[in-house]
Amino acid sequence: QVQLVQSGAEVRKPGASVKVSCQPSGYSFSANYMQWLRQAPGQGLEWIGWINPNSGGTHYSQKFRGRVTMTRDTATSTAYMELSRLQSNDTAVYFCARDAGFGGEGWFDPWGQGTLVTVSS
Amino acid sequence: SYDLAQPPSVSVSPGQTASITCSGNELGSRYVSWYQQKPGQSPVLVIYRDNKRPSGVPERFSGSNSGNTAALTISGTQTMDEADYYCQAWDRRTAVFGSGTKVTVL
Repeated sequence: QVQLVQSGAEVRKPGASVKVSCQPSGYSFSANYMQWLRQAPGQGLEWIGWINPNSGGTHYSQKFRGRVTMTRDTATSTAYMELSRLQSNDTAVYFCARDAGFGGEGWFDPWGQGTLVTVSS
Repeated sequence: SYDLAQPPSVSVSPGQTASITCSGNELGSRYVSWYQQKPGQSPVLVIYRDNKRPSGVPERFSGSNSGNTAALTISGTQTMDEADYYCQAWDRRTAVFGSGTKVTVL
């Protein structure tokens, strides 16, 4: 079945960067856009952006533009999301999710298990 | 920015019907998805394109979308349906989520 496996929890100091990986299985990596989202403790879901694994094209939420970089490695079928200039309010669980629709405006199915990123001095 | 409004909580007795609303300007002209999230777990898609149910999602979950309001209905609610539910739509290439509704089954 389709599964997305993310990298483990990370702790960073304010001002640092973090890179989270997402490795899907059970489908062709290049066939679907990969979405990235996050959820701060006790809060709702927030969309960060997507990457087209086929072309490498990206589209980011205006909130994160300039601070987020999404990449992919087609040789290992892995997607990455790097967030820089971290602040305490970036503490959250970061999710990758397959875009099961078309053109980066579909529905998110399935989701990875989540990666907790803690920003603390 | 585009906003989606959901009630913070809904309570339902086992076996009864729960309805969760999601309101936004001309929401009916957009596709809405719904996600279920249980404590400590990742969200799970339960409805996409307003009323499509993914394989494996029980038939008691249904969706509708018209005018300014979308709704997720759980018929014959079970204790296992207790969770947070989020609606989601796209606005100018940005995914927008409602603030979530906690469904309590008691």
